[in-house]
Amino acid sequence: QKEVEQNSGPLSVPEGAIASLNCTYSDRGSQSFFWYRQYSGKSPELIMSIYSNGDKEDGRFTAQLNKASQYVSLLIRDSQPSDSATYLCAVNRPGGGGSYIPTFGRGTSLIVHP
Amino acid sequence: DTGVSQNPRHKITKRGQNVTFRCDPISEHNRLYWYRQTLGQGPEFLTYFQNEAQLEKSRLLSDRFSAERPKGSFSTLEIQRTEQGDSAMYLCASSRGTGGETQYFGPGTRLLVL
Repeated sequence: QKEVEQNSGPLSVPEGAIASLNCTYSDRGSQSFFWYRQYSGKSPELIMSIYSNGDKEDGRFTAQLNKASQYVSLLIRDSQPSDSATYLCAVNRPGGGGSYIPTFGRGTSLIVHP
Repeated sequence: DTGVSQNPRHKITKRGQNVTFRCDPISEHNRLYWYRQTLGQGPEFLTYFQNEAQLEKSRLLSDRFSAERPKGSFSTLEIQRTEQGDSAMYLCASSRGTGGETQYFGPGTRLLVL
């Protein structure tokens, strides 16, 4: 089982729709959960961070965390073609040295078509 | 420019050669991370520093890889005796604090080993 799992997609949604991206993680001791967006050929940029159970909203983006189910999701409302990118889920999981190691999923490709 | 910078941006080398990459983090950030990313995958954690101390190193990192952050500012990643499988994007990121904070990524160094 991979430490952070995401459906690679592509997820295709029409402009204006809600895009729903999902991520599961294996280590229950994980803390700090992040969603990054990565355009082709570019480096990742942070969209949202979430640390406790529940929802966190920022503009068109809502992150949801359920630690009991080891599940993180990202909703993008009113999707725009400029949202077309790969979305990376990242989790800080316990490392061997007592610190936390950032661990990324393989990313979900999102395509928003006009 | 106050972001994370990486040099060189591109490197082509022949198998068996040594290469060194440099990362300059955001000035007030005490944490510095190195990742490797191949096509279709998320960033893979390699190592990180808290100031000048290297706190975690991936078990996937062979002895051919070494990283330093001598004065707690910039960092270098060296790959000795490069192999074709080392071809990838090498990403550096920095953050402020002791963990769980937002990481800011540099533009990456793309390595091609012939």
